[in-house]
Amino acid sequence: GENVEQHPSTLSVQEGDSAVIKCTYSDSASNYFPWYKQELGKGPQLIIDIRSNVGEKKDQRIAVTLNKTAKHFSLHITETQPEDSAVYFCAAGKGTGANNLFFGTGTRLTVIP
Amino acid sequence: DTAVSQTPKYLVTQMGNDKSIKCEQNLGHDTMYWYKQDSKKFLKIMFSYNNKELIINETVPNRFSPKSPDKAHLNLHINSLELGDSAVYFCASRGTPGGEQYFGPGTRLTVT
Repeated sequence: GENVEQHPSTLSVQEGDSAVIKCTYSDSASNYFPWYKQELGKGPQLIIDIRSNVGEKKDQRIAVTLNKTAKHFSLHITETQPEDSAVYFCAAGKGTGANNLFFGTGTRLTVIP
Repeated sequence: DTAVSQTPKYLVTQMGNDKSIKCEQNLGHDTMYWYKQDSKKFLKIMFSYNNKELIINETVPNRFSPKSPDKAHLNLHINSLELGDSAVYFCASRGTPGGEQYFGPGTRLTVT
């Protein structure tokens, strides 16, 4: 089955700096890579996703890059704000059928005001 | 409007009991899921239910059983609860194939 690894497990940045979280996956058949943000006491919420037919996608301060050859993808948050503090999860799936997602182990991001 | 809702939000029970967690989605989605999040925040798929087809993660004990009375609901029944079942359980749903999964707020289960 799919195995997703995520680094780092914790990340502290100063407000206004950038944050980068990296993930690798093992199944070359995976073609859908979402990123979720989980705030305390809440369920994960999708913030951005990318499919294997593109290498980069951007949405305001958030961007995701995908390297299919190396089987890794990254989340980039620029101009971080205190409200960005949360646990971030990457995931990988095949995008068909039930599209079961396999999640990374999470990164706790703390933005220091 | 709540897209995916779960009840109860908190559930405290003793070992050996049988309990259920309910999940409802009002998005008209065809596929629903149950995930378990352990104390280290690791999220793991337990079940997916797509057009009456149940796909079970083989690592899930058969004490866990999902039941779907209709397309909008996927409930989770747990028999003979064990200490290791303590976790947060999330329900999720998805509409289009390969589309976004929407998560519920979670149910924190504590087994004493």
